[in-house]
Order: sequence, then structure tokens, then C-alpha cells
Amino acid sequence: AQSVTQPDIHITVSEGASLELRCNYSYGATPYLFWYVQSPGQGLQLLLKYFSGDTLVQGIKGFEAEFKRSQSSFNLRKPSVHWSDAAEYFCAVGHFYGGSQGNLIFGKGTKLSVKP
Amino acid sequence: NAGVTQTPKFQVLKTGQSMTLQCAQDMNHEYMSWYRQDPGMGLRLIHYSVGAGITDQGEVPNGYNVSRSTTEDFPLRLLSAAPSQTSVYFCASSYSDRVKPLHFGNGTRLTVT
Repeated sequence: AQSVTQPDIHITVSEGASLELRCNYSYGATPYLFWYVQSPGQGLQLLLKYFSGDTLVQGIKGFEAEFKRSQSSFNLRKPSVHWSDAAEYFCAVGHFYGGSQGNLIFGKGTKLSVKP
Repeated sequence: NAGVTQTPKFQVLKTGQSMTLQCAQDMNHEYMSWYRQDPGMGLRLIHYSVGAGITDQGEVPNGYNVSRSTTEDFPLRLLSAAPSQTSVYFCASSYSDRVKPLHFGNGTRLTVT
């Protein structure tokens, strides 16, 4: 069965420190991978996506993620965290088939807190 | 460009009442979907549609109905509300011809007492 695992429920980092949020997926076909961010009381905003090609993808707000097929992972990174990055982060996996959008499967999320 | 608009933002229902959560998008997206978000559960797909007149069930469809009479609108109906349906509901849309990122509304927070 298709699934997405985000092992860390809650992470706290100091402002200015580096960040890595983990995401592992289980998928039979070539996956399409996404990271979304959700600020309190808001909907989800796309940070970045991987469809094919270069396995290191750049996103908005200084985030990047690396697709590692051998490890079934798509970890999100940022070299220096800002207080405004405090939010909940969701990894999602989907696929494209037969001319129609495949449904996305979401992980359970990682809540990021930032210490001043 | 309004994007995906959900109404209402908040709603309180009594057990057994029915209601409709509205979702509209102005991006001419073929694909629309409803998710519910519960603490520690992430987002779970309720129903989705790949075009007007076409709907299908997601992971947790029981207790919910949908219809898609136009490209723009995808309402979610709760037939007889139950406390287990207390949740935050998100509508999302995208193009269907290739994998495009979902555009999300800001959510409807529903409480069933």
C-alpha cells in the first residue's frame, strides 16, 4: 500500500540553525513528491516538488529537498531557520496516470518550533 | 485571482443536523478534492472529482456526499452530522492533464456537538 511516513512529530530548532525534516515513502511506481507548509489557521502552501530530473530541488523561502530513490526518502532542508518558519510541514506523494491527476497521499506532518 | 474559496470558515452543528460546505475555484481546474485534517492524522482524502459530472470516493467517504455540476464548484454535504466529523476540512484543486501541485483553500473548522 502507498504510504508516507514523517518520523518526527515535533522538532524544535534554534533560530539560525540548520533544519532537516524527514520523509519516507512507500510507492510502487515512480513517485511525484511534494512538501507543503501550513501556518496556523491557514491552508497548505506548496514549498517544492519533485517530478523527475535533478534529485536536488529548490523551493520557496530558501528550502530544498533531495530525492533518494535507494532510501525512498525526500528530506526537506534549510541551512538557516528563521522564526517565521515555525509551522507544520507535510510531505506528500502522488503519481500521474492515464491522463488524470492521481490523488496525493499525505504524511501526518512535522510541527516545527523555532527558539529565539 | 481568488484561487480556492471555502465557506463558511467556522461552523457548529448539533448531532444529526445536515449542512453543506462550499468550495469554489476560479482557476478552471478539472481536479477538485476534499480532505479532512485531524490532529496527528495528517490529511485524509474524503472525495474527489476529475471533472464536472465525475466524482469518486477517497479514503474516508462515509457520512459525506459530493456532486460536481460545474467545473468551479465542489460542495461537500454532511448528511447527518456526528461528533466524529468534528474536524478541519480543506478543499483543493489542480489541473488534471499532468501532475500539478494542489491549490488549497483556507479550510472550514467544523464542530459537531
